[in-house]
Amino acid sequence: NAGVMQNPRHLVRRRGQEARLRCSPMKGHSHVYWYRQLPEEGLKFMVYLQKENIIDESGMPKERFSAEFPKEGPSILRIQQVVRGDSAAYFCASSPPGGGTGELFFGEGSRLTVL
Amino acid sequence: QQQVKQSPQSLIVQKGGIPIINCAYENTAFDYFPWYQQFPGKGPALLIAIRPDVSEKKEGRFTISFNKSAKQFSLHIMDSQPGDSATYFCAASKNGGFKTIFGAGTRLFVKA
Repeated sequence: NAGVMQNPRHLVRRRGQEARLRCSPMKGHSHVYWYRQLPEEGLKFMVYLQKENIIDESGMPKERFSAEFPKEGPSILRIQQVVRGDSAAYFCASSPPGGGTGELFFGEGSRLTVL
Repeated sequence: QQQVKQSPQSLIVQKGGIPIINCAYENTAFDYFPWYQQFPGKGPALLIAIRPDVSEKKEGRFTISFNKSAKQFSLHIMDSQPGDSATYFCAASKNGGFKTIFGAGTRLFVKA
C-alpha cells in the first residue's frame, strides 16, 4: 500500500497520559502536515514539517503538543498530559517535494479518545 | 485573513438534484482552491481543484465556479446520487499547497 499510513487508528488514553500518533507519508513525499478534526467540525491545520524541520507550527497549541519528522522513520505527533478536549480525529497528509500540484494526500486518521 | 468560510453547514437533496456549496476567502495570495470529499471514518480525498486564472472547471458531474473579484467559489454536483452523500470541504492554499486552510465542511445527504 503506497498511501499515507497512520497508526494507531484508534487510541484510548486516560487524562494525564501521553498519546503518540505516527504517520508514514506516501513514497517519495517529503512534506507532512497534521490536521485535527473535532466531531462535526472542519479540519484545523496544526503543523507542517519536512524531514528534520518544522516549517510552520502556527496551528499547534503552545503547550503539551509537539511534532517531529526525523530523517528516518515516521512523523510523530505527541500529546502530553492529555485532556478530554484533545479527543478528536488527527489526520496526517503528505505532498511531494515542491508541493506538487497542491494536492494533499490524507491518511485515514487516528481517533483519540480521552477518558 | 487565513479563513475560508463555507456554507451551508448541511444540505439534503433528492436524487438527481443539484446541490451547491459555497465558499469565500479573504487572502488574495491564495492560488489553489481544492474541494475534498470525506466519507465517514475515512480521510479526505481530493475531488476537484481550480486555480484563479479560470472561472470554471468541470470534471464529470462536479463543477467548480470561481469568482476572483468576489473572492468566492462554489461546488455544483450535477445529477446527484446517494453515493455522493459525504462531507465536502472547500480549501485554499498558496505557493503550491503548503499549509492548506479548510472550510468548516458541508454534510450532504442525497435521498434515494
